[in-house]
Amino acid sequence: GAVVSQHPSRVICKSGTSVKIECRSLDFQATTMFWYRQFPKKSLMLMATSNEGSKATYEQGVEKDKFLINHASLTLSTLTVTSAHPEDSSFYICSARGSGGSANTGELFFGEGSRLTVL
Amino acid sequence: GEDVEQSLFLSVREGDSSVINCTYTDSSSTYLYWYKQEPGAGLQLLTYIFSNMDMKQDQRLTVLLNKKDKHLSLRIADTQTGDSAIYFCAENEGYSTLTFGKGTMLLVSP
Repeated sequence: GAVVSQHPSRVICKSGTSVKIECRSLDFQATTMFWYRQFPKKSLMLMATSNEGSKATYEQGVEKDKFLINHASLTLSTLTVTSAHPEDSSFYICSARGSGGSANTGELFFGEGSRLTVL
Repeated sequence: GEDVEQSLFLSVREGDSSVINCTYTDSSSTYLYWYKQEPGAGLQLLTYIFSNMDMKQDQRLTVLLNKKDKHLSLRIADTQTGDSAIYFCAENEGYSTLTFGKGTMLLVSP
């Protein structure tokens, strides 16, 4: 199946700094990427939908100035957590929807996730 | 809004069958999915079923859909210890994003 890669897989940062997480579709072009946040023992919470070349659409309650999303190419979307605080510590997962068969089924391909710890 | 419900935990012995259940509320769901998440990892699509199907079988996996009751189940035959993971049920209308259940933790003991 299609591969989505996230980097870094783990990051520890100090409070007040910014952290960038990359999401890449390795073998397909992803016109739409989604960013999710997962709390311990919880389901995935959709943060935003990112379409290549346009502004991301944020879900209610998600601060767009804090979680900056850029989808500059068909294979790369980035999530930047600005001025990170300990409550931003979480597992962030991206997913991508490709073209062809997966676009018809609505299937999403997920990255491996990025564990952010803010000290 | 849409809601997807799952039981939180299931424990089985190796070799037994596992059945994970899911209910959803959105009557316009087009596709229903089962994803597997291993510790510290992203989600891996196991299988999906289109809403006009009742059953789909893929090797050890059998998906049953009761659209009238909005009930979806995943049966894993001959469950192995490597099947221990969290299983998420999800649904969407094709091009919309997914709505996930809270996940069912499957623990397989030797």
